[in-house]
Amino acid sequence: GDSVTQMEGPVTLSEEAFLTINCTYTATGYPSLFWYVQYPGEGLQLLLKATKADDKGSNKGFEATYRKETTSFHLEKGSVQVSDSAVYFCALASYNNNDMRFGAGTRLTVKP
Amino acid sequence: DTAVSQTPKYLVTQMGNDKSIKCEQNLGHDTMYWYKQDSKKFLKIMFSYNNKELIINETVPNRFSPKSPDKAHLNLHINSLELGDSAVYFCASSQGGGRETQYFGPGTRLLVL
Repeated sequence: GDSVTQMEGPVTLSEEAFLTINCTYTATGYPSLFWYVQYPGEGLQLLLKATKADDKGSNKGFEATYRKETTSFHLEKGSVQVSDSAVYFCALASYNNNDMRFGAGTRLTVKP
Repeated sequence: DTAVSQTPKYLVTQMGNDKSIKCEQNLGHDTMYWYKQDSKKFLKIMFSYNNKELIINETVPNRFSPKSPDKAHLNLHINSLELGDSAVYFCASSQGGGRETQYFGPGTRLLVL
C-alpha cells in the first residue's frame, strides 16, 4: 500500500543553519504530498503541499518540490530559527485511500 | 473562528472508565477522521466518516465507537479504558477524501491511570 518514509531524527541545528529533512514515498497513481508541523503541545498544522510532479510548495521560508522521478518530497529551509523547533511530518493522500499516510515524524531542535 | 475544535484538551481518567471526546468542524467539509498519536509521535488512522457514513474502520478495538450526529461533528466514545489507550487523539476534516488537504484539531491528550 501507499506509504511515506522520512528521515529519522532527532535533528539538532544551530540558528541560521540549512535544513533538509528527507522524505520519499511509495504510491500507485498520483498522490498529493504534504508537510505538516507540530509544535510542542499543539496539533498538526499544514506547512506546505504540492499536488503534481515538479510543483514546489513553499511557506514561511520552507520549500519542498514534488519529484516524481525520485519519488521524493524533501523539506528545505535556508536559515532555521529557534522558533522552527518542532516535529515535522511528511504525508501523502491519494484516491487509493481515504486516509492520509504519514511518515514517522522528524523532531527538529534549533539552538541559539 | 476555530476550524476544527476538540474537547476536552486534556483527559485524565481511571482504567475501566468510559469517556467521550467531541470534535466539531466549521469548514463545511464532508469528511472527518480520528487519528491516534502514540508516545513516539506515530500517527495512525482510526476512523473516517463521509457525510455521516463510516468509510474506514481500521483495526481498532470495538471499545472505540465513533458517532457522527451530523456532517460537522464526529465524536469518539471509548468504553472500558485501558492503560494502552493513553495517547493523543486528533480529529481532522477534509472536503472529500482522496488527495485533499486534511485540517487537524488541537488534539486531546488522554492519560489512563
